[in-house]
Amino acid sequence: QSALTQPASVSGSPGQSITISCIGTSSDVGGYNYVSWYQQHPGKAPKLVIYDVSNRPSGVSNRFSGSKSGNTASLTISGLQAEDEADYYCSSYTSSSTVVFGGGTKLTVL
Amino acid sequence: QVQLQESGPGLVKPSETLSLTCTVSGDSLSSYYWSWIRQPPGKGLEWIGFIHYTGSTNHNPSLKSRVTISVDTSENHFSLKLTSVTAADTAMYYCVRGVRVYAHDYWGQGTLVTVSS
Repeated sequence: QSALTQPASVSGSPGQSITISCIGTSSDVGGYNYVSWYQQHPGKAPKLVIYDVSNRPSGVSNRFSGSKSGNTASLTISGLQAEDEADYYCSSYTSSSTVVFGGGTKLTVL
Repeated sequence: QVQLQESGPGLVKPSETLSLTCTVSGDSLSSYYWSWIRQPPGKGLEWIGFIHYTGSTNHNPSLKSRVTISVDTSENHFSLKLTSVTAADTAMYYCVRGVRVYAHDYWGQGTLVTVSS
């Protein structure tokens, strides 16, 4: 299985909105509404911020939202804050009943 | 509060078997999905595999038949065995709980395993 494709880096200023894309195929992202997103700060374990494309776990800020169109899923963070600076990973369920991750995106808050 | 804690050797020799255990507290293994995910130093996340208490299990095909994941509900822990390790298996290994196979809501702190002679 091939990794999902994410941009290596994105950046934005405090208060702005940014969107991170996650490109897959019809065998993973495009075939199911089973996409998750994780936030990982340096030296820490990842944290689930979105699952099932657009659902937020309890306790996750509503500044985080997810969507999907075709084979591309997206994570949008609105009202960017310094604490949002982290690495972000998407993942998807696949037609082989496995899970595949994206390569990760480093978000820099300017 | 759900907590997961990985345990096992931090150093494994090439060609040997990596064995890790994840002890779960605050929850029962008789629900949810229990997985292993790893992250090589400075790199991204890689899904290793999952097990459900029903015995259903699957793993990353890129790891071929080297992976075995098992669960012991009486001891409330689950385990990972990865055979014939090489330097490419050096990574931080995380045990995780999943509300879905693909949605992991609780993570252990991770344990660094280095493969070296």
